Amino acid sequence: QSALTQPASVSGSPGQSITISCTGTSSDVGSYNYVSWYQQHPGKAPKLMIFDVSSRPSGVSNRFSGSKSGNTASLTISGLQAEDEADYYCSSYTSTSTWVFGGGTKLTVL
Amino acid sequence: EVQLVQSGAEVKKPGESLKISCEGSGYSFAIYWIGWVRQMPGKGLEWMAIIYPRDSDTRYSPSFQGQVTISADKSINTAYLQWSSLTASDTATYYCARRSWGSWYFDLWGRGTLVTVSS
Repeated sequence: QSALTQPASVSGSPGQSITISCTGTSSDVGSYNYVSWYQQHPGKAPKLMIFDVSSRPSGVSNRFSGSKSGNTASLTISGLQAEDEADYYCSSYTSTSTWVFGGGTKLTVL
Repeated sequence: EVQLVQSGAEVKKPGESLKISCEGSGYSFAIYWIGWVRQMPGKGLEWMAIIYPRDSDTRYSPSFQGQVTISADKSINTAYLQWSSLTASDTATYYCARRSWGSWYFDLWGRGTLVTVSS
């Protein structure tokens, strides 16, 4: 069971938009609309940002959005703000009734 | 308040055993799956295992099967992660997380337990 593939880092200036990709296989991302995204600031626990590919929990800014095409899911953050600087992880349910995370992407707000 | 409270940091020697805990409060603990996630120093999240406290049904990642054991005591709203013989590579922060009811994501996380294994 390999980790989902994410870019190691992305960056953007305040106000810009960025997209983080998350590539899996037909055994996870490609088979289920159960992709979620988590934000983690240094020294803190992960926080749920997106679930079921594109749904936002209550309290999460609508600047965060998710999508999926085939085996690849994406997280887009629009109107970048300084507080968005963090690590982001995708996760998917899998065909073996387990979960898998991506390797994580460090977002730098320039 | 709905929360998961994890036990405190541990420092252990190689070969020692360890059991860390995760206590849920503010919700019906028994009917929500609890997962465990490892984060090695400076590294990413790794999904380890999950347990349903109501009947102790478990699922393990192949990477962690046989390396750790998870359990739960629904009478005291607590889930556990244990090792029989620690190695230096077990040094990490371990998070417990609640699977949202009837869903496939984790909506509530503990603050993590730092486990340090060093001779």
